Amino acid sequence: QQQVKQSPQSLIVQKGGISIINCAYENTAFDYFPWYQQFPGKGPALLIAIRPDVSEKKEGRFTISFNKSAKQFSLHIMDSQPGDSATYFCAASVTSGTYKYIFGTGTRLKVLA
Amino acid sequence: NAGVMQNPRHLVRRRGQEARLRCSPMKGHSHVYWYRQLPEEGLKFMVYLQKENIIDESGMPKERFSAEFPKEGPSILRIQQVVRGDSAAYFCASSPGAGPPYEQYFGPGTRLTVT
Repeated sequence: QQQVKQSPQSLIVQKGGISIINCAYENTAFDYFPWYQQFPGKGPALLIAIRPDVSEKKEGRFTISFNKSAKQFSLHIMDSQPGDSATYFCAASVTSGTYKYIFGTGTRLKVLA
Repeated sequence: NAGVMQNPRHLVRRRGQEARLRCSPMKGHSHVYWYRQLPEEGLKFMVYLQKENIIDESGMPKERFSAEFPKEGPSILRIQQVVRGDSAAYFCASSPGAGPPYEQYFGPGTRLTVT
């Protein structure tokens, strides 16, 4: 029940295309869902996060869509660029608990020039 | 405004030695989290600490691993008698405290190699 399932494992997108990464969870106590971007040899960097009281949040080219009833959330990267090539992780947390993150297994995105 | 700092960035230890990983949180942050990332895998929670207190160590292996966050100085993750399976990247994250915002900010990690 503590798992966060992420798909796809890898993704190849043409420059200018839309990258979509999906995550699903079982624990209905999760109430904070961040997305992180990680480049090789670096630490994860926070991209965008959402609480379950909203269905969508947009920051620049990055949008989180959240479906509370389906217990799913997704990251959309619009106008994908080669510089977006990285590994993306979704995570979930219970903010009334110890705030520890449960991470998905990651999606390796490659954007072709 | 310096971010989360971790050192060393790379650490090589022989089997049976001790590894000490250090983490200095962002300025003003009093909560520290340690995560482990095995090659080609996601990050796994290990332990959550506040100053002088371990709040949640549910992800920490029962033996050989310990963590502390003293009143002064960095947080330390200590691995005694390392084995090859301990080879991984260890990331520290910090947050301002309880309550919003809930973001955790990650350091660059320490890559531990056990030979």
